[in-house]
Amino acid sequence: EAGVAQSPRYKIIEKRQSVAFWCNPISGHATLYWYQQILGQGPKLLIQFQNNGVVDDSQLPKDRFSAERLKGVDSTLKIQPAKLEDSAVYLCASSSMRGGRLNEQFFGPGTRLTVL
Amino acid sequence: SQQGEEDPQALSIQEGENATMNCSYKTSINNLQWYRQNSGRGLVHLILIRSNEREKHSGRLRVTLDTSKKSSSLLITASRAADTASYFCATTRSSYNFNKFYFGSGTKLNVKP
Repeated sequence: EAGVAQSPRYKIIEKRQSVAFWCNPISGHATLYWYQQILGQGPKLLIQFQNNGVVDDSQLPKDRFSAERLKGVDSTLKIQPAKLEDSAVYLCASSSMRGGRLNEQFFGPGTRLTVL
Repeated sequence: SQQGEEDPQALSIQEGENATMNCSYKTSINNLQWYRQNSGRGLVHLILIRSNEREKHSGRLRVTLDTSKKSSSLLITASRAADTASYFCATTRSSYNFNKFYFGSGTKLNVKP
């Protein structure tokens, strides 16, 4: 079974530029998550999709971050414009449901973003 | 914040010793999960314990859950250098019609050979 794929692995941009990250979840996983992990901290959930609908984006800075999951499969996360404090690793994860319960999340390798 | 908080923040032990990490949280949960993250990599799921369970084992891992104290512990027995990583607890609770995940800040474990 292929894991969660993310690209790019690394990205360096200057502040006020735009950047986009891509995620392809495990086949058949209906739930997809984007997390932001700042160095030395735990992952912070930015947005959660169930199929192609958003179920939680309460911690997404909507003035600059956007995400979409077309056709309920892969997803893109965009930052426009980027700020210095957006430097972090952006993790994508997916999970399946069984018996109405969410199971464990499978994480991709992450995209390390550096904003200069 | 509903996030789990791990304790200690950092732990350094010798190979062969046991490592114990604790996680405390604030709200009622559906389940609690432990994840491992090697430096520069994504998180890997280790074990899930449901709110109606008190203890669970998986290989060298033992997890306990005390919902009355809102705390969990992860014990790694006979540690190996390869266990060096950061360990995170993640709590899951229901919100409307979906589950919300909250990760703690992690315990950084160093196992010296």
